[in-house]
Amino acid sequence: AQSVTQLGSHVSVSEGALVLLRCNYSSSVPPYLFWYVQYPNQGLQLLLKYTTGATLVKGINGFEADFKKSETSFHLTKPSAHMSDAAEYFCAVRVNYGGSQGNLIFGKGTKLSVKP
Amino acid sequence: NAGVTQTPKFRVLKTGQSMTLLCAQDMNHEYMYWYRQDPGMGLRLIHYSVGEGTTAKGEVPDGYNVSRLKKQNFLLGLESAAPSQTSVYFCASSYGNRGKNTGELFFGEGSRLTVL
Repeated sequence: AQSVTQLGSHVSVSEGALVLLRCNYSSSVPPYLFWYVQYPNQGLQLLLKYTTGATLVKGINGFEADFKKSETSFHLTKPSAHMSDAAEYFCAVRVNYGGSQGNLIFGKGTKLSVKP
Repeated sequence: NAGVTQTPKFRVLKTGQSMTLLCAQDMNHEYMYWYRQDPGMGLRLIHYSVGEGTTAKGEVPDGYNVSRLKKQNFLLGLESAAPSQTSVYFCASSYGNRGKNTGELFFGEGSRLTVL
């Protein structure tokens, strides 16, 4: 079965510091991986996704993620945090088997705080 | 561009009451989903549909029913609401298993339900 683990339910960084949000996945087939962002009282918005090809994926708002098959990881980074990055971030893996094909399995989320 | 629209956005129910959440999408997507979001639990799939007239159970289906009578609409029903169903409900849609499907889900802005 596929699963997603996000390490750290809360991460706090200073403005201008590196943002690193960790995601590990479990999948017996090549995964499709996603990062979504949720701002307070809003729905989820796609940040970036990995399907095939280049393992370093660039997304919106300066975020990028690196797919490492050997480590089963898909960590999200941003070189310099901005106050507007404060939000909750969800990693997800797409189910690629059987009748559930197409569903996403989400991690429990990491809430990012940015200190001035 | 409306995308995915959920109604109502807020609702307060008493235990035992029934209600229906409506989700409408205007992107001609084949697949639609209902998730619930609870603090520290991430998003959990309630039910989903891979096409008009079809529905299937997700991870946490008990206490909910769904219907997909029209391709653009996906209804989530609570027949007898319980306090454990207090949550934020998100509808999402995606392309089906044809060329356009890159796995991305498009989310509505959520419906906040409180059961007293």
